Amino acid sequence: QKEVEQDPGPLSVPEGAIVSLNCTYSNSAFQYFMWYRQYSRKGPELLMYTYSSGNKEDGRFTAQVDKSSKYISLFIRDSQPSDSATYLCAMRENNAGNMLTFGGGTRLMVKP
Amino acid sequence: SAVISQKPSRDICQRGTSLTIQCQVDSQVTMMFWYRQQPGQSLTLIATANQGSEATYESGFVIDKFPISRPNLTFSTLTVSNMSPEDSSIYLCSVVSGNSYEQYFGPGTRLTVT
Repeated sequence: QKEVEQDPGPLSVPEGAIVSLNCTYSNSAFQYFMWYRQYSRKGPELLMYTYSSGNKEDGRFTAQVDKSSKYISLFIRDSQPSDSATYLCAMRENNAGNMLTFGGGTRLMVKP
Repeated sequence: SAVISQKPSRDICQRGTSLTIQCQVDSQVTMMFWYRQQPGQSLTLIATANQGSEATYESGFVIDKFPISRPNLTFSTLTVSNMSPEDSSIYLCSVVSGNSYEQYFGPGTRLTVT
């Protein structure tokens, strides 16, 4: 079993839909949680960064962390075709230097 | 956030040759890393580039194959040596700046080995 599991998709939604992207993990020591967006042939772009449990909102994006369930989510409201990309979750322990563990990525397609 | 550039952006190389990839950051950063992303896969950490000392390699990666330099706080190079088609991948530079735990990635170098 991988340390971080993420459904590879593809996930196809119509423009304007609410998108829910999720990751589960097994390591209870993870404290820092990140979401990256990666367009084809580009490097990953940091979207959201949260520490421990709770919610964080930034524009159309909301990140949720539920440490009791070892489950994190990224919600995208009013999705746009420009949101079409691969979304990677990543996480890190508190005292692991900066060693990130990545999920496999979910490919999202938003259709006009 | 830090602005990261990589050179070259892509290259096609012959088996048995070596390629050096450069990573330049627009500000001094505390930590720099090199990742590999094989086609359709997630990111795998190759090594942490340490300024003024030898890089720290992850399991499965060795210095002879992936020598790394980091002469200062804004620049690093990764060399892919004695390449084989299995080295075809995207190579990504990544940095953490200051006291933030936020980690940023460069645009990547797409390497194809024939």
